[in-house]
Amino acid sequence: AQSVSQHNHHVILSEAASLELGCNYSYGGTVNLFWYVQYPGQHLQLLLKYFSGDPLVKGIKGFEAEFIKSKFSFNLRKPSVQWSDTAEYFCAVNPYSGAGSYQLTFGKGTKLSVIP
Amino acid sequence: DSGVTQTPKHLITATGQRVTLRCSPRSGDLSVYWYQQSLDQGLQFLIQYYNGEERAKGNILERFSAQQFPDLHSELNLSSLELGDSALYFCASSVAGGMETQYFGPGTRLLVL
Repeated sequence: AQSVSQHNHHVILSEAASLELGCNYSYGGTVNLFWYVQYPGQHLQLLLKYFSGDPLVKGIKGFEAEFIKSKFSFNLRKPSVQWSDTAEYFCAVNPYSGAGSYQLTFGKGTKLSVIP
Repeated sequence: DSGVTQTPKHLITATGQRVTLRCSPRSGDLSVYWYQQSLDQGLQFLIQYYNGEERAKGNILERFSAQQFPDLHSELNLSSLELGDSALYFCASSVAGGMETQYFGPGTRLLVL
């Protein structure tokens, strides 16, 4: 079965520091890749997604992610974090699971705490 | 605001009881998904419906069931509730149930006492 690994459970950064959150997936076929963010007490919001084409994708709020097919990775980056980026970040994979179904498989999430 | 609505926002009930969670997808979306988010299991896919038909099942317990109605809203029924069912239940919707983006609702927080 496919799985998604997020390497860091909790990351603590100071404002203006650079961020990189790791995500690896295990699935040999075609996948779509997503990063979702969940701010405290809120629902999941889409940060960015990769379907095809340029492996470097840009999302909202200055986030970007790079798809490296050979490494089965889709790491999230931001050059300079802000206190308002404090949230939990989820990597998700959407592989084909048969009968026309594409269910999202999520990683366990990475909590990001940004210290002012 | 994703356009997906869920009611109620919070639900407190007792073990052994039955509850119904409701979800309205974004306008035009035909597919609805249900996910459970708990501290120990993380975010897990439960079930997907497409235009009224069940399309995929994930880690959904037999005590749980769902349906999608002709107006495309969906309900998740949880019965014989146990303490371990306490979680955040999210609904998501997408246009056609394929590889496109899923948009999530605000969730229903269920507390079983």
